[in-house]
Amino acid sequence: DIVLTQSPDSLAVSLGERATINCKSSHSALYISNKKNYLSWYQQKPGQPPKLLIYWASTRESGVPDRFSGSGSGTDFTLTISSLQAEDVAIYYCQQYYSTPPTYTFGQGTKLEIK
Amino acid sequence: QVQLQESGPGLVRPSETLSLTCTVSGGSISPHYWSWIRQPPGKGLEWIGYIYYSGSTNYNPSLRSRVTISLDTPQNQFSLELTSVTAADTAVYYCAREGLRGAYTYGSYDYWGLGTLVTVSS
Repeated sequence: DIVLTQSPDSLAVSLGERATINCKSSHSALYISNKKNYLSWYQQKPGQPPKLLIYWASTRESGVPDRFSGSGSGTDFTLTISSLQAEDVAIYYCQQYYSTPPTYTFGQGTKLEIK
Repeated sequence: QVQLQESGPGLVRPSETLSLTCTVSGGSISPHYWSWIRQPPGKGLEWIGYIYYSGSTNYNPSLRSRVTISLDTPQNQFSLELTSVTAADTAVYYCAREGLRGAYTYGSYDYWGLGTLVTVSS
């Protein structure tokens, strides 16, 4: 089974400061055939479904502000919010697709708050 | 704009079958993968399984013995059945579409329904 471990579990950052969330996988997310890392990031606010922010480790979904960025390859990934805004308070999840067999695994979530 | 909406009973008795339907509007079932994902109250997300527009399916190994996902393409709907439910199956159930860009899937979900809370209780 694939295990995704996010760190930290919770994070408090001042408005305008940088927030960084890490995600470590037990299995590589890199597909040699197309050189894509199948690791995504979501933002979930209370009472709402998750919202896709980043896919293929670093590709920003359409409409997502450019203060959100993703990086990493293989088993270690990072979501960075360059300048925290009040509306960014949420729980953030990483998620990996693995093809053999096809499975979709989520991290445990990181709660982001304002300091 | 693609929209997904879950529908079905909000209360299911223990040992019975949970049945939900997701209706897709504003877009076609083809050529996407369509998944069910659940979230117990206050907890994280768990993938249940997917159905491809062709009708092929794949399920989370931890639920495989109890899950069936089916497709009704003319109605632009897909459905979930989960048998022999217990209190541990109490969760918000989401349907979601896997994103597609060119020839490659995202491996993640670009459109989600709002979710429906299903409580298992007698």
